[in-house]
Amino acid sequence: AAGVIQSPRHLIKEKRETATLKCYPIPRHDTVYWYQQGPGQDPQFLISFYEKMQSDKGSIPDRFSAQQFSDYHSELNMSSLELGDSALYFCASSLGGGRYGYTFGSGTRLTVV
Amino acid sequence: TQLLEQSPQFLSIQEGENLTVYCNSSSVFSSLQWYRQEPGEGPVLLVTVVTGGEVKKLKRLTFQFGDARKDSSLHITAAQPGDTGLYLCAGPPSTQKLVFGQGTRLTINP
Repeated sequence: AAGVIQSPRHLIKEKRETATLKCYPIPRHDTVYWYQQGPGQDPQFLISFYEKMQSDKGSIPDRFSAQQFSDYHSELNMSSLELGDSALYFCASSLGGGRYGYTFGSGTRLTVV
Repeated sequence: TQLLEQSPQFLSIQEGENLTVYCNSSSVFSSLQWYRQEPGEGPVLLVTVVTGGEVKKLKRLTFQFGDARKDSSLHITAAQPGDTGLYLCAGPPSTQKLVFGQGTRLTINP
C-alpha cells in the first residue's frame, strides 16, 4: 500500500539559507499535517491543511510557511534557517479527521550548520 | 489545548517482564490513539480507543481507555527486545491537529 512520501530524507543547510520540504500524502486522504521533532522530544504540531485549506496552525515560526497544492501534495518552506531549526520534520496524512489514524512519512532530517 | 501527560518517561526492563505505561489528562477526549516510533522513523499507529472503559488487545499489548475518557494505559506482557521504542499517546484525532504526550521511551534488555 502507498505510504506518505517525504523528500528529501536528509538535508544539510547553512544558517540563513532556505529549505523546502515536500510531502506526498496517501491518495484520497483529505488532511495533511506537519510536525517538528527535536532530539528526545515528542512531535510538535506546526500546521495542517484540510482539503487544501489551512485548518490549524501551531507553534510555527513566521519564517516558515506551508501550502497544499491542487494535487494534494504539500510543501513546508523554511527561510532564514537557524541552528535551532535542526530537527526531524514529519508529514502525516489522514482521512475522516484521523479517526482511522494518522499515517506518518519517514521524515526529513534537517541539519542546519 | 488538551494536554496529555505520559508516565513513566523512561522505562528499562528485562526481557520477559511485564510493564504498564500511562497517559493522563484533565480533559475528556473523544478518542485517544497510541503510536510507536522507532529512531529516525515516523510514528506508527497501534490502536484507537473510543469508548470509555474500552479494552483492545494487539497480541501482547493491551490498551485500555478510562471510563471517564480522560486516561489510557498500555500494558505489555512478556516484553521482548523488539518492543523497544518510543510509545506516544495522542488525541483527539481531527482535521486540525493531533496532540501528543511526551512519550515513554521503552528499552527491553535481552
